[in-house]
Amino acid sequence: DQQVKQNSPSLSVQEGRISILNCDYTNSMFDYFLWYKKYPAEGPTFLISISSIKDKNEDGRFTVFLNKSAKHLSLHIVPSQPGDSAVYFCAAIRPGANSKLTFGKGITLSVRP
Amino acid sequence: SQTIHQWPATLVQPVGSPLSLECTVEGTSNPNLYWYRQAAGRGLQLLFYSVGIGQISSEVPQNLSASRPQDRQFILSSKKLLLSDSGFYLCAWGTGNRQPQHFGDGTRLSIL
Repeated sequence: DQQVKQNSPSLSVQEGRISILNCDYTNSMFDYFLWYKKYPAEGPTFLISISSIKDKNEDGRFTVFLNKSAKHLSLHIVPSQPGDSAVYFCAAIRPGANSKLTFGKGITLSVRP
Repeated sequence: SQTIHQWPATLVQPVGSPLSLECTVEGTSNPNLYWYRQAAGRGLQLLFYSVGIGQISSEVPQNLSASRPQDRQFILSSKKLLLSDSGFYLCAWGTGNRQPQHFGDGTRLSIL
């Protein structure tokens, strides 16, 4: 049972444009969400997070939006750069779970020069 | 600053052979430690986590085991590897309290 879903396996965007990466979840107990970026043969690196008490968090070119009623979050990258090309994982944490992360399958973002 | 080290980076093992992957963390005390696996075309699956020395929780039944002999050392083991154990293994540490986990660079394990 996939509790965190990233239904689009890939996304291709022109450099300078906006990248929107989507993530859906089914467990309403999740109250903290994170995005990780992963290059080939490397471990994921933390990008940005959001608590369920917020609906938006921004850090430079990265903004995460949370829609709790729809159980949906999205990561916006503006402007997209070729160096943003990587796999992006959405992850979620629920209370009392020792901060264990439940990951989606990831989205491969390609930013075309 | 905190760092996490995993080794080896790649490993090729025959079916039925034993396995030992090691992970160490520096610059922090009493971290939560985690082992994840990424199989081909899939997301990261949590295998084990530990909140202290000798304390191991298993998330999925499998052919692997984990141990934490020291505060900042986490070891993933198997007595006999299966073909299905192939994948990319990642160690991570965190402080809990809904703080991000930080990952090592992983071990690419191929079983022949």
